[in-house]
Amino acid sequence: QSVLTQPPSVSAAPGQKVSISCSGSGPNIGSNYVSWYQQVPGTAPKLLIFDNYKRPSGIPDRFSGSKSGTSATLDITGLQTGDEADYYCGTWDYSLTAGVFGGGTKLTVL
Amino acid sequence: QLQLQESGPGLVKPSETLSLTCSVSGGSISSNNYYWGWIRQPPGKGLEFIGTIYSSGNTYYNPSLKSRVTISVDTSKKQFSLSLAAVTAADTAVYYCARQHYGDYDSGFDYWGQGTLVTVSS
Repeated sequence: QSVLTQPPSVSAAPGQKVSISCSGSGPNIGSNYVSWYQQVPGTAPKLLIFDNYKRPSGIPDRFSGSKSGTSATLDITGLQTGDEADYYCGTWDYSLTAGVFGGGTKLTVL
Repeated sequence: QLQLQESGPGLVKPSETLSLTCSVSGGSISSNNYYWGWIRQPPGKGLEFIGTIYSSGNTYYNPSLKSRVTISVDTSKKQFSLSLAAVTAADTAVYYCARQHYGDYDSGFDYWGQGTLVTVSS
C-alpha cells in the first residue's frame, strides 16, 4: 500500500491529452513539492517534473504538473506512442521523515 | 554530466546482508543541498524509498526498513553505500542509487543509476 495514491492505468489515443492524479495527505503532498517520474520498462526512472510544475532541461512542454492541496496532477498533451511508460509521483513525508512514491500509473497510447 | 553507477553482488542468501555501492562521477558528492539516495523496485512493482544521506553523514530512512538499513558515505572516494541486513526473498528487487535535490524542500531525484538486480535466494 503506497502512501500516495495513483490510478493503476490510463489510456488515450495519439494526439490526445491524458491526466494522471496523485493523492496524498497533509504531511506529504500538503507540505512539500511533488515530483513526477517516467519509467520505460527495463530502464531507470527519469525526472519529468519537480517542484510541482517545473521541467528539467530537455523535457518537452507537453508534460506539465500542478498541485492543489493534498493532490497533484500530471498532464500530458499531444500524446505520442513513445509516451507509453509507467509514471510515478513522489514527494517527502514530514511525518515519516522519508521519501514516498505513488504506486505508479501505466500509460497506454492506443 | 553527472553519472551514478551501482555495484555489488547480484545474488544474496537469505538472512545475509545485502551490500551495494554507488560511485558518483562527473560532479561533486559534497555539493550543497544534494542528498544521495537508494530506491528499490521489486519485479513488476512500484518504487520504494529506502533511504538517503548527505555528505555530512546525516541520514533519513524508510521507517519500514530502518531496523535493517545502514547508508554510509565516503566523500574521498565519491561513493555512498547501502547495507540491508537479514534479507528475505521480499528484498529481491532492482536497486537504484540517485541524487536528491533537497534545499528548503524536496525537489526530487534528478540523476539515477542504471539499477542493479539483487536476487535473494539460497
